[in-house]
Amino acid sequence: AQSVTQLDSHVSVSEGTPVLLRCNYSSSYSPSLFWYVQHPNKGLQLLLKYTSAATLVKGINGFEAEFKKSETSFHLTKPSAHMSDAAEYFCGVYGGSQGNLIFGKGTKLSVKP
Amino acid sequence: DARVTQTPRHKVTEMGQEVTMRCQPILGHNTVFWYRQTMMQGLELLAYFRNRAPLDDSGMPKDRFSAEMPDATLATLKIQPSEPRDSAVYFCASGLGPGTSSYEQYFGPGTRLTVT
Repeated sequence: AQSVTQLDSHVSVSEGTPVLLRCNYSSSYSPSLFWYVQHPNKGLQLLLKYTSAATLVKGINGFEAEFKKSETSFHLTKPSAHMSDAAEYFCGVYGGSQGNLIFGKGTKLSVKP
Repeated sequence: DARVTQTPRHKVTEMGQEVTMRCQPILGHNTVFWYRQTMMQGLELLAYFRNRAPLDDSGMPKDRFSAEMPDATLATLKIQPSEPRDSAVYFCASGLGPGTSSYEQYFGPGTRLTVT
């Protein structure tokens, strides 16, 4: 069965400093992985996805994630945080042929001025 | 700009009342998902449909919740009777599937339900 674990429930960074949001996955086969972002009082929006092509995936708003099979990780990074990045971020894995996604518990990112 | 729409955006009701939430998926999408989000449980998948047929509703309390797709442009989630523990934000999402297109889901803005 597929699952993801987001290692931090809350991350706080200063504006202009790097962002690292951690996600580990468990999968019995080559997984398809995602990051979604949820701004306050909004629905989730796809940031980026990994589907067995390049291991370094670039997404919207300057975010990227690297698939590391040896570490079963798919961490989300951004070189320089912006105030508008403050939101909750969800890592997810494709559940299988039925088309559902399995989400982690979420990581709330705070950005200090 | 195609979007998933949900109505109502906010609903306050008393315990025991029926609640109906509606979702209009993006035109052409054949898969519709219902999620519930709470502080305690996070994001939970309640049910999902493909081509209007229910694929999985195992995440849904069967005694009080029901989900339907009367047609391709409307999905509904009903709670009868509602209870305070049902207070949450309910999201609808739509997508294309199966296959690689089903990797992306497009979420609506959610219905914030408060049951007193």
